[in-house]
Amino acid sequence: GAGVSQSPSNKVTEKGKDVELRCDPISGHTALYWYRQSLGQGLEFLIYFQGNSAPDKSGLPSDRFSAERTGGSVSTLTIQRTQQEDSAVYLCASSSLSGGYADTQYFGPGTRLTVL
Amino acid sequence: GIQVEQSPPDLILQEGANSTLRCNFSDSVNNLQWFHQNPWGQLINLFYIPSGTKQNGRLSATTVATERYSLLYISSSQTTDSGVYFCAVRIYGNKLVFGAGTILRVKS
Repeated sequence: GAGVSQSPSNKVTEKGKDVELRCDPISGHTALYWYRQSLGQGLEFLIYFQGNSAPDKSGLPSDRFSAERTGGSVSTLTIQRTQQEDSAVYLCASSSLSGGYADTQYFGPGTRLTVL
Repeated sequence: GIQVEQSPPDLILQEGANSTLRCNFSDSVNNLQWFHQNPWGQLINLFYIPSGTKQNGRLSATTVATERYSLLYISSSQTTDSGVYFCAVRIYGNKLVFGAGTILRVKS
């Protein structure tokens, strides 16, 4: 597609429920990233997928967070048993790679998650 | 981990004025990007600049990697330039580490 797309744009859920956030990267980009933007923590890295390699999960804040990337394209970020501190804007980005290094990362519009 | 500091934290300009935003980082990085986050929250790429100087219209950026800083210049500012400006450095594993941002408000 023309850019990175994310859905839903807004999600309101009750504490304890599970949520799934979707990301469609730019066509042909082999690298996909999830970040989170919250008032207290700013913009922080969550997880990185590169081709068929094992993902870098070093930024996931707890084991309630997981992500997968199917067919090397679409990615889903799942948050189980949501807590109020999970409220944030979840941003997805994608990039091409040159010699293993990421080129410019392009960001989607984000999903605003509110946990009541 | 690496520290990324941006200054100033807030900036108010009169339309037509020029400004310089600064980004300091505490360790060697593979690359650096500047973003503008518009009032709707979209992060827009401005520059991908590991070193040297680049220009795009009224905006330009300079990165001096050996001295661990980057500068973003905005000339003849317009109200549409308002928003938050972030620098982000790319470290090992291709992840980006973001600064806290500079909030820019341009008044007409």
